[in-house]
Amino acid sequence: EVQLVESGGGLVQPGGSLRLSCAASGFIFGNYWMNWVRQAPGKGLEWVASIKQDGTAEYYVDSVKGRFTISRDSAKNSLYLHMNSLRAEDTAVYYCARDLDHVRGFDYWGQGTLVTVSS
Amino acid sequence: QSALTQPASVSGSPGQSITISCTGTSSDVGTYNFVSWYQQHPGKAPKLMVYEVSKWPSGVSDRFSGSKSGNTASLTISGLQADDEADYYCCSYAGSRPYVFGTGTKVTVL
Repeated sequence: EVQLVESGGGLVQPGGSLRLSCAASGFIFGNYWMNWVRQAPGKGLEWVASIKQDGTAEYYVDSVKGRFTISRDSAKNSLYLHMNSLRAEDTAVYYCARDLDHVRGFDYWGQGTLVTVSS
Repeated sequence: QSALTQPASVSGSPGQSITISCTGTSSDVGTYNFVSWYQQHPGKAPKLMVYEVSKWPSGVSDRFSGSKSGNTASLTISGLQADDEADYYCCSYAGSRPYVFGTGTKVTVL
């Protein structure tokens, strides 16, 4: 059974940093593109970042470029999102999502982890 | 990176069919046949319902069908059921961006 379990969310002050983790199981992690998608409270979904199977390509939404870094560790079957210079508008539930097959859709999602940026 | 445009809400009675539109541009929906649709119940993670415009993932009912014409994709739910009441989001591949979601549609079963 495919499982994605996020962790690392919490309350952080504006300008602070946080690292989210996503533990993957039930599939060959190294065979899939992986993504982070977020949802601000009461708002819609927003794609945040994607990383290629071998980590050699990364893409980001404009609003997080230069502040967030997506990475992965195939030995640990884990996906990460390093978030720096956090802003109030980064407050959201962050979901880890697997690519069905690159660009075709996100077929498995984690339960999400809440990041709150507030003083 | 503007979101795709969806109606805020759509409603229908049990057994009826409803259609949710998703309007993009020639940079996303209009160029790529990589439109997917997601169902999200309150407090839950999104669930993939349709991918590549009109394909079903394993385990998803064929009551959910997708299509596309020009810059607009659509999701039709036939034989509406109480459990279909949820938020629905479209998503399109957009080249260099590379993904953009729709604004979301709340489906109400009357």
